[in-house]
Amino acid sequence: GAVVSQHPSRVICKSGTSVKIECRSLDFQATTMFWYRQFPKQSLMLMATSNEGSKATYEQGVEKDKFLINHASLTLSTLTVTSAHPEDSSFYICSARGDGATQYFGPGTRLTVL
Amino acid sequence: GEDVEQSLFLSVREGDSSVINCTYTDSSSTYLYWYKQEPGAGLQLLTYIFSNMDMKQDQRLTVLLNKKDKHLSLRIADTQTGDSAIYFCAEFPTEGSNTGKLIFGQGTTLQVKP
Repeated sequence: GAVVSQHPSRVICKSGTSVKIECRSLDFQATTMFWYRQFPKQSLMLMATSNEGSKATYEQGVEKDKFLINHASLTLSTLTVTSAHPEDSSFYICSARGDGATQYFGPGTRLTVL
Repeated sequence: GEDVEQSLFLSVREGDSSVINCTYTDSSSTYLYWYKQEPGAGLQLLTYIFSNMDMKQDQRLTVLLNKKDKHLSLRIADTQTGDSAIYFCAEFPTEGSNTGKLIFGQGTTLQVKP
């Protein structure tokens, strides 16, 4: 149980385009989902927290107009990187939490912006 | 504030025990977690311990918690080459600005030599 999927696993796009990443909880309802960014050989950096049906809460320094988050249902959250630039290239990981405290993580999405 | 510290690297021989240490700062943390990350993958929940416990054992994994010293350790018995990965310690504060979020350490890279 407690499986979280992400799609796509890898994406390469041109500078200036927008990219959408999906995060799904497959076997439980996720009241809260989290989006993280991870740079090579570093820990996870929390970008935002989203609760189903409400606006996401962004961490300090994360541009909400750049990283659009939608948590439309209890099993799906999406992160859209708008007008992507090479500095947005990174590994993006989502996690989902049900009724308890434990977060279950997706497999990650590798974004490369050319 | 919340801060989680881990040593960055540990090297052991196959068959030996591995001990990964972690210190945290937030005494309000009710859960403490160990996650495993293999190259290019997301985080896999290994185990967690509730703050009123001293020890938890799950097959080859033993977690020890010293709440007074805010010290957490993960022992892997009979370490295998498949255990080579990055191990993240995380605390779950229940007070303050980071309530409900996971605070991660920098990760410990475990190298298992055959």
